[in-house]
Amino acid sequence: DVKVTQSSRYLVKRTGEKVFLECVQDMDHENMFWYRQDPGLGLRLIYFSYDVKMKEKGDIPEGYSVSREKKERFSLILESASTNQTSMYLCASSSWTSGSPYEQYFGPGTRLTVT
Amino acid sequence: AQSVTQLGSHVSVSEGALVLLRCNYSSSVPPYLFWYVQYPNQGLQLLLKYTTGATLVKGINGFEAEFKKSETSFHLTKPSAHMSDAAEYFCAVIRSYNTDKLIFGTGTRLQVFP
Repeated sequence: DVKVTQSSRYLVKRTGEKVFLECVQDMDHENMFWYRQDPGLGLRLIYFSYDVKMKEKGDIPEGYSVSREKKERFSLILESASTNQTSMYLCASSSWTSGSPYEQYFGPGTRLTVT
Repeated sequence: AQSVTQLGSHVSVSEGALVLLRCNYSSSVPPYLFWYVQYPNQGLQLLLKYTTGATLVKGINGFEAEFKKSETSFHLTKPSAHMSDAAEYFCAVIRSYNTDKLIFGTGTRLQVFP
């Protein structure tokens, strides 16, 4: 089974802090995603990575950056956290070359509160 | 551009009743469609998907969905609701064939009453 893990389930940070959210997958997937989930808005794509060191902006990249130095790890960085970044953050992975293209596997999520 | 509309942000049913969650899509290419479920305090889990072939797709936990091209719909059904089905359900469509990126609907929260 594919396993996607996220470093924290709950995180509380102060406005202006630099925040790192870590995601690790164990199935050698080439694609990894960061989403933000807010009530009534569903999942919105922040960033997407299709290979090591390769990244692509999603629909709402402002205020975020990402890092992918190793294939299994994809980090989301909030350079200067703001209260409007309080949300649930979900990481996912997928493989174009597997038997299930387009199918994304999700981590449990990190609920971030910025005060 | 691709989009997904889920009608009804909240649906309530009695245990044993039919579950119907609605999803309509807009796609410039023949769509690949997905239903995901999110149980409380968990990530999303794939329920079922339609890519090509049979338009009635069966998934896990007794759920099924039918792709209707003429209605641009992919509604999710289950004949008899169980208390454990209480969760949030998301419909999704691929953005294009050359990427694994999906577009998600805004979700429908299903409540099941005893």
